[in-house]
Amino acid sequence: ILNVEQSPQSLHVQEGDSTNFTCSFPSSNFYALHWYRWETAKSPEALFVMTLNGDEKKKGRISATLNTKEGYSYLYIKGSQPEDSATYLCAFYSSASKIIFGSGTRLSIRP
Amino acid sequence: DTGVSQDPRHKITKRGQNVTFRCDPISEHNRLYWYRQTLGQGPEFLTYFQNEAQLEKSRLLSDRFSAERPKGSFSTLEIQRTEQGDSAMYLCASSPIGGTNYEQYFGPGTRLTVT
Repeated sequence: ILNVEQSPQSLHVQEGDSTNFTCSFPSSNFYALHWYRWETAKSPEALFVMTLNGDEKKKGRISATLNTKEGYSYLYIKGSQPEDSATYLCAFYSSASKIIFGSGTRLSIRP
Repeated sequence: DTGVSQDPRHKITKRGQNVTFRCDPISEHNRLYWYRQTLGQGPEFLTYFQNEAQLEKSRLLSDRFSAERPKGSFSTLEIQRTEQGDSAMYLCASSPIGGTNYEQYFGPGTRLTVT
């Protein structure tokens, strides 16, 4: 059974602080890993598509790393801002064309 | 084209009624996906179309559920004889012809509440 886990489930961070959270996925049959940001009442928005072991991607204050051999990815947010409040989802894409989402990390930024 | 749209955004129905949701993908995208998300869980794959052909269906898609994409453009998801367990967010996503790495563009979802 393929399982994708995200931790923590929720996180409360003071504005200006940096934070990170984890996505764990099967280390076999890996094809790609996506990170999405999902704000309330909006569409999930793709942040990163990661395919190679050791990938590091960055978009502004947000970055992500990928370790396919051990089956994890980290998402980092530097200097959190209120607009970063959202649920962050990771999605594991297997070489068998299976798509499995984690249950998300709900991030709240305190002003 | 401003993205993937879904209609309605919210639906409240009584148990036993039928409901139908619509998804309009980004116009040049030939792949269309339906997902369901229940409270505290991530989106779960339901079904996938390439053009008008339904290529894959999850075991989650019971015989009360049917999805169509008759002309390879918009898609509908119908749930017959709704049950309280069908209460969830139903998400649609599309991806482009020749897209790699499974990039998907999501709609805002339809939230279904079965009373």
